Amino acid sequence: DAGITQSPRYKITETGRQVTLMCHQTWSHSYMFWYRQDLGHGLRLIYYSAAADITDKGEVPDGYVVSRSKTENFPLTLESATRSQTSVYFCASSESTSGTLDTQYFGPGTRLTVL
Amino acid sequence: GQNIDQPTEMTATEGAIVQINCTYQTSGFNGLFWYQQHAGEAPTFLSYNVLDGLEEKGRFSSFLSRSKGYSYLLLKELQMKDSASYLCAVMDSNYQLIWGAGTKLIIKP
Repeated sequence: DAGITQSPRYKITETGRQVTLMCHQTWSHSYMFWYRQDLGHGLRLIYYSAAADITDKGEVPDGYVVSRSKTENFPLTLESATRSQTSVYFCASSESTSGTLDTQYFGPGTRLTVL
Repeated sequence: GQNIDQPTEMTATEGAIVQINCTYQTSGFNGLFWYQQHAGEAPTFLSYNVLDGLEEKGRFSSFLSRSKGYSYLLLKELQMKDSASYLCAVMDSNYQLIWGAGTKLIIKP
């Protein structure tokens, strides 16, 4: 039972480069989420997806792009990385967003450093 | 605006009981979650409250008062492995989770 995985786990890149973070889940959950976690802040939602080919912005979407061509994958792309995007990125998934089925399960995270 | 408040850090002794409070102001309410996050790891689900009252799950209990916008997580018989951050999150009217910054719990022998 692989659950939800993220790759890479660690990434160092330079300002201006494009970076793609991968997320894969094996539960066939409908909903997938991307969060960033910074010291002193709660998890902040970047983008989410209710199903394949359906995505929507969260609280902090600027500078990020997502796609979801298959239910199990939800990649996050930083089109032109900036130092302010240095953070830990978590992918999560849930069966739905109503009732007890909306519990979100998290991947192990990607620690991204932008130099 | 939407806001979740919880203490930044708490210290407790192994074997004791600790209560971590969470107050919230959100646009709508569709449930409150508690997650545990060990340093360098992903958050893991602990509890879910949508109705007022106490939910007990082993050594952990979670309480909710919707009228007061208040919840707490109660941890009994503390163990060293309980040293972690505890995240409070509220699902708002748009079914999005609003997260608190987390409470770092330090357990001392």
